[in-house]
Amino acid sequence: DGGITQSPKYLFRKEGQNVTLSCEQNLNHDAMYWYRQDPGQGLRLIYYSQIVNDFQKGDIAEGYSVSREKKESFPLTVTSAQKNPTAFYLCASNNGSRVGRFFGPGTRLTVL
Amino acid sequence: SQQGEEDPQALSIQEGENATMNCSYKTSINNLQWYRQNSGRGLVHLILIRSNEREKHSGRLRVTLDTSKKSSSLLITASRAADTASYFCATDPYSGAGSYQLTFGKGTKLSVIP
Repeated sequence: DGGITQSPKYLFRKEGQNVTLSCEQNLNHDAMYWYRQDPGQGLRLIYYSQIVNDFQKGDIAEGYSVSREKKESFPLTVTSAQKNPTAFYLCASNNGSRVGRFFGPGTRLTVL
Repeated sequence: SQQGEEDPQALSIQEGENATMNCSYKTSINNLQWYRQNSGRGLVHLILIRSNEREKHSGRLRVTLDTSKKSSSLLITASRAADTASYFCATDPYSGAGSYQLTFGKGTKLSVIP
């Protein structure tokens, strides 16, 4: 079955640690996205990638980093510079800029 | 950046009734999309309506778009308990070179009571 997988489902981080969230898709999509969702809020774009080896900052990129070395994979690193990282993180993909996005199941990150 | 705003924030109805959610936005769009999110899960794309379209249907879903009023509505007919979820509108801004910056509203939380 085609789809997007995110791991882990739950992640706990201590203050000052970097953590990496995994996102893998087998839909053969060119574009991939990372969003952050806070309780009662809409999604905010962190980073997006239109093609392998290229990515762009979204609205809230500070304290995050990404890489896109393979078409299938778009990992997100939450660095210690991100002051309030506790949130629900969603990865998405699609082909082209004018079509709907497919979303993964999300990773809930909690800072202890 | 522009943002769609859904109204109402929360809606509670009986099973079998229709549910209507509205979305307003501020600037010109290429298209508007509706998504559903079950609690603690990822979003599911429901419908995309382009700026030159006025109405679209998909099963029990009907979406309308009024670009003169900068608003859209999502109607779910004959609701079921399984429709209980949050519903988000997302606007794809108009730009000549294609845009990857889809902007989401805060959502309408729909509860369908059996």
